[in-house]
Amino acid sequence: DTGVSQNPRHKITKRGQNVTFRCDPISEHNRLYWYRQTLGQGPEFLTYFQNEAQLEKSRLLSDRFSAERPKGSFSTLEIQRTEQGDSAMYLCASSPYTDTQYFGPGTRLTVL
Amino acid sequence: AQTVTQSQPEMSVQEAETVTLSCTYDTSESDYYLFWYKQPPSRQMILVIRQEAYKQQNATENRFSVNFQKAAKSFSLKISDSQLGDAAMYFCAAGAGSYQLTFGKGTKLSVIP
Repeated sequence: DTGVSQNPRHKITKRGQNVTFRCDPISEHNRLYWYRQTLGQGPEFLTYFQNEAQLEKSRLLSDRFSAERPKGSFSTLEIQRTEQGDSAMYLCASSPYTDTQYFGPGTRLTVL
Repeated sequence: AQTVTQSQPEMSVQEAETVTLSCTYDTSESDYYLFWYKQPPSRQMILVIRQEAYKQQNATENRFSVNFQKAAKSFSLKISDSQLGDAAMYFCAAGAGSYQLTFGKGTKLSVIP
């Protein structure tokens, strides 16, 4: 069990650019979650996959955001036309068929 | 829909002493779960303890225990024999259904040597 991994750990981009983050869940965890955490706040739910199916999306996930989980393994989160308000820590978590979620280290995005 | 409120933005405790972090929640679900997560500075979120709402018995994990008051919708975390490594942000969270978690804003715990 190597834990949830996320890449890159840090990303600095200019406003208007596209960025993509990757999450590798714990092996055999069928549920995968994305959260966003801004400074001084708790994480906020973005989206949820069960295997390869995206089952829930938060209203926070605007049409500039898209997430995929091909083959039910790793997941990617893409942000198109980044804005300064997108600057945050993006957290990924995975879970087996239970309620407990295990978090990765996060990707810190800075939009200049 | 769920809401989680942590009313203490910051707390401090002397090393080896006991501290209690407060959390209240609201949910329309009848079957739900409650969690405390720890987030050390620049490090990832770690599960501290979980509580199943249908269980009356309070969960414990070594030096960590909860006081779960279901009628009052209260879920506080007690840390006994505080250690320097306990210094972190602590988040209370609630989950139900597909288990997406709703987090509070966190409490920053400082441990004084």
